Amino acid sequence: KNEVEQSPQNLTAQEGEFITINCSYSVGISALHWLQQHPGGGIVSLFMLSSGKKKHGRLIATINIQEKHSSLHITASHPRDSAVYICAVRISNQFYFGTGTSLTVIP
Amino acid sequence: EPEVTQTPSHQVTQMGQEVILRCVPISNHLYFYWYRQILGQKVEFLVSFYNNEISEKSEIFDDQFSVERPDGSNFTLKIRSTKLEDSAMYFCASSAEGPGELFFGEGSRLTVL
Repeated sequence: KNEVEQSPQNLTAQEGEFITINCSYSVGISALHWLQQHPGGGIVSLFMLSSGKKKHGRLIATINIQEKHSSLHITASHPRDSAVYICAVRISNQFYFGTGTSLTVIP
Repeated sequence: EPEVTQTPSHQVTQMGQEVILRCVPISNHLYFYWYRQILGQKVEFLVSFYNNEISEKSEIFDDQFSVERPDGSNFTLKIRSTKLEDSAMYFCASSAEGPGELFFGEGSRLTVL
């Protein structure tokens, strides 16, 4: 069974804090996606990873293929980062999603 | 910036009725996807489509569902006979490459009464 587990489920942080969201999966994948779902429901792709590390602004994503684990880091968090962050893995042409991490950043 | 557009944004239908959800992917993208998200639950993959045929589908995508790219720009999801449990947000996405970055539409909320 292809499981994608995220932790934590919910996260509240003070503005400026460094945030880490974790994602573990159970089988070999061809790619891993980090997505951001806004309070209104829209989904935006943040990163697609198959190895190593990517950085975009204050966001950093890493993946360890051997350990089947990825992390999403947010540096200098801001209230506008408040959203649900979703990890999704691609296996062949199928996708499996985590349940998401709900992040609230308090001013 | 190019975007994926979906219509309608919200549709209310009676159980048993047919529904067509429409998507216009980004114009130079070749891979198209439908996902759904039941309220309060995680996003679920329905189907991927490439080169005018389904390349992969999930267990959810049974005979009640079909997809089509009728005219080279639209990508549609049809539900033949809607059930209450089909109520969900349906997201279309496209990508330029197979294992490529996904671009999502804003979603179509389907409510089945």
